[in-house]
Amino acid sequence: KAGVTQTPRYLIKTRGQQVTLSCSPISGHRSVSWYQQTPGQGLQFLFEYFSETQRNKGNFPGRFSGRQFSNSRSEMNVSTLELGDSALYLCASSLGGSLSSYNEQFFGPGTRLTVL
Amino acid sequence: QKEVEQNSGPLSVPEGAIASLNCTYSDRGSQSFFWYRQYSGKSPELIMFIYSNGDKEDGRFTAQLNKASQYVSLLIRDSQPSDSATYLCAVNPPGKLIFGQGTELSVKP
Repeated sequence: KAGVTQTPRYLIKTRGQQVTLSCSPISGHRSVSWYQQTPGQGLQFLFEYFSETQRNKGNFPGRFSGRQFSNSRSEMNVSTLELGDSALYLCASSLGGSLSSYNEQFFGPGTRLTVL
Repeated sequence: QKEVEQNSGPLSVPEGAIASLNCTYSDRGSQSFFWYRQYSGKSPELIMFIYSNGDKEDGRFTAQLNKASQYVSLLIRDSQPSDSATYLCAVNPPGKLIFGQGTELSVKP
């Protein structure tokens, strides 16, 4: 079974631009979660999508948004990029399950975003 | 108080020894607990999960959970140099999944 895939793997943008990242989950998985990882803050939860609906959300500003398509693929968008948005963005897929209890999550390889 | 706390390390153990990694959490409503391993430059990889109080063993790995003390640990027996990585504890309070900062483990040959 193919793993989680993310595109692009690397991205360089300038301040003020916007960016869209893509994630394809493991076949059969309906939940996709997005995370930001930086050396200082560690792995921080952005949001989770399940059946095309945002089910959970972390504490990030509205510049960070996402969506999920009917085939469970998900995209994350960051508008008006800031230098502090430079990070590794990881998506993780899981079967889904209940609203409050997470199944095991499987991570993709990540997208390394650099904002200049 | 951070929601999930881990010692950042580095934790250094000799090859063949037992490595003990610890994690405490603040939300008593947490239901699921996960241990991930992350090699430098790679994404996190799930190695263990535990839902109930007590021990859960999988090969050289044992996860221990004590909900009363809000404590979860990971023991790695017969540590190998290939176990050198950062170990992330993740805790599932209702509606979210919170990761600790990770403990860097170094296994010396």
